[in-house]
Amino acid sequence: DIVMTQTPLSLSVTPGQPASISCKSSQSPMHTDGKTYFYWYLQKPGQSPQLLIYEVSSRFSGVPDRFSGSGSGTDFTLKISRVEAEDVGVYYCMQGLHLLTFGGGTKVEIK
Amino acid sequence: QITLKESGPTLVKPTQTLTLTCTFSGFSLPTPGVGVGWIRQPPGKALEWLVLIYWNDDKYYNPSLNTRLTITKDTSKNQVVLTMTNLDPVDTATYYCAHRRYIGAWGGFDYWGQGTLVTVSS
Repeated sequence: DIVMTQTPLSLSVTPGQPASISCKSSQSPMHTDGKTYFYWYLQKPGQSPQLLIYEVSSRFSGVPDRFSGSGSGTDFTLKISRVEAEDVGVYYCMQGLHLLTFGGGTKVEIK
Repeated sequence: QITLKESGPTLVKPTQTLTLTCTFSGFSLPTPGVGVGWIRQPPGKALEWLVLIYWNDDKYYNPSLNTRLTITKDTSKNQVVLTMTNLDPVDTATYYCAHRRYIGAWGGFDYWGQGTLVTVSS
């Protein structure tokens, strides 16, 4: 089974400051077609998860450009350039190549 | 506009079978490149993917729950039905259904239902 390990478990950020979340996959989610099936989600308090990033670095429709994804192989990163109050919640990574697996989540709160 | 909504019992007894229905609109499941998945989340815990069904009736199950899950679709009703057998209190969770589609590559779950909380207790 593929294991997705997120760090840190939680993050407290001052508004306007950057934040970074890492996700390590036990196997690469890169397909032979060259696409990498790796995603980031945000679950705001009391809400369903929402898709932020697909294929490592593409922002889903409506996602602010302060969110960016990067990485390759088995190591991936989500960066928020300037955290805003509305960014609080739990962030999850997910691989979608070897069936589907979510990471354990990273809770982001505002200082 | 794509919407999905989960429905089913809120309380189930241990060893019983759970049946949840995902009713959707804004897309058609026979459309090539479309899928619907189920994901659950125990209170205060992480998301766990359960199962996926695609437009061509391909089905993929979480290996750790494979023997207990069945997914079917009713395209005439725009519904996907999840059945989970032999419920245990550890299956207490919010159950979500979500839409996935192929757009040059398989996207993530781009639309989610509101979720339905299922409690397993005697």
